[in-house]
Amino acid sequence: KAGVTQTPRYLIKTRGQQVTLSCSPISGHRSVSWYQQTPGQGLQFLFEYFSETQRNKGNFPGRFSGRQFSNSRSEMNVSTLELGDSALYLCASSSVLPGGSEAFFGQGTRLTVV
Amino acid sequence: QKEVEQDPGPLSVPEGAIVSLNCTYSNSAFQYFMWYRQYSRKGPELLMYTYSSGNKEDGRFTAQVDKSSKYISLFIRDSQPSDSATYLCAMSGTSGTYKYIFGTGTRLKVLA
Repeated sequence: KAGVTQTPRYLIKTRGQQVTLSCSPISGHRSVSWYQQTPGQGLQFLFEYFSETQRNKGNFPGRFSGRQFSNSRSEMNVSTLELGDSALYLCASSSVLPGGSEAFFGQGTRLTVV
Repeated sequence: QKEVEQDPGPLSVPEGAIVSLNCTYSNSAFQYFMWYRQYSRKGPELLMYTYSSGNKEDGRFTAQVDKSSKYISLFIRDSQPSDSATYLCAMSGTSGTYKYIFGTGTRLKVLA
């Protein structure tokens, strides 16, 4: 069974540009959540999607947005990039079983803003 | 004060030692508790997933949750150099939501 796939693995962008990251969840999983990981702040929740609807949002500015498609694939977009957006962006997928279930992470997209 | 506190380490132990990793938390609404292992330049890998208080064992790993003390632990028996990684605790309060709150991670080094 294939795991969570994130593309691209690495990105270098310039301040002010925008970027789109992609996440393909494990087959059959309908929930996708996104996290930002930095050395200083650790893993911080960005947002969560289930059946194309955003269910939760973290404390990030409106420059960070996301969406989920009918096939459960998800994208996140960061507009007007800042140097502080340099981070590892991680996507996690889950099957959302009654009573809770585990979230599995992809390898991440490492974004560097210069 | 952060919702989840975790000693960043680094923690160095000899091969074969029992390792104890811990997190404390302040939000009594947390019900789901996870431990992830993250190797350098990789995504977090789920090790243990527990609900409410109690113990759970999987091979060399044992997870303990004490909700009365707001304290969770991960024990690694017979530690191996391949266990060298960063260990992250994570928590959530509601079934079916994946808004996890993570600890900052503990770096573990197992010396051969």
